[in-house]
Amino acid sequence: QKEVEQDPGPLSVPEGAIVSLNCTYSNSAFQYFMWYRQYSRKGPELLMYTYSSGNKEDGRFTAQVDKSSKYISLFIRDSQPSDSATYLCAMSGGSGGSNYKLTFGKGTLLTVNP
Amino acid sequence: NAGVTQTPKFRILKIGQSMTLQCTQDMNHNYMYWYRQDPGMGLKLIYYSVGAGITDKGEVPNGYNVSRSTTEDFPLRLELAAPSQTSVYFCASSYSTGGYGYTFGSGTRLTVV
Repeated sequence: QKEVEQDPGPLSVPEGAIVSLNCTYSNSAFQYFMWYRQYSRKGPELLMYTYSSGNKEDGRFTAQVDKSSKYISLFIRDSQPSDSATYLCAMSGGSGGSNYKLTFGKGTLLTVNP
Repeated sequence: NAGVTQTPKFRILKIGQSMTLQCTQDMNHNYMYWYRQDPGMGLKLIYYSVGAGITDKGEVPNGYNVSRSTTEDFPLRLELAAPSQTSVYFCASSYSTGGYGYTFGSGTRLTVV
């Protein structure tokens, strides 16, 4: 079983739709959970950051972490064509001071159609 | 306000050639990283550094070497390039543990033919 599983999509939705992106993981030591957005031919940029379980909201974006199920989600409300990008989940945490190294999912390619 | 700067942006290498990918950050971050990204495969950690003079292997270090003589610079060396090293390489830096505050460069697209 891979440490982080993410459905690569691609996912295509109409403008204004609610988008749900998900990752599962196997390492129970992970404590820090992130979502990165990556536009074509660009570097990833941090979108959401969550520590431990719970929800975090930032504008149209909501990140959820369920550590008991080892499952994280990103919701995008009122999706816009400018949201079209690859979304990568990432996580870190563990013993030996390794909580600064990120483990990434494969990324989900999202297209929002006008 | 440059952040993380990577050079070159593109490069084509022949099998067996060597090259150095440059990475510089101006944020005084202690932690620096090299990742590679293959299509549909996410990012894989190659090497990382927790400070000047300290480096360690990541998930996929074979065929690469790094050095960290200053806080700002973290070059990645490819020796004897192979087609399997065709990828997009990202350098990143962070100021804290816990994965927060990562800043990525814009990447180097490398093709080995």
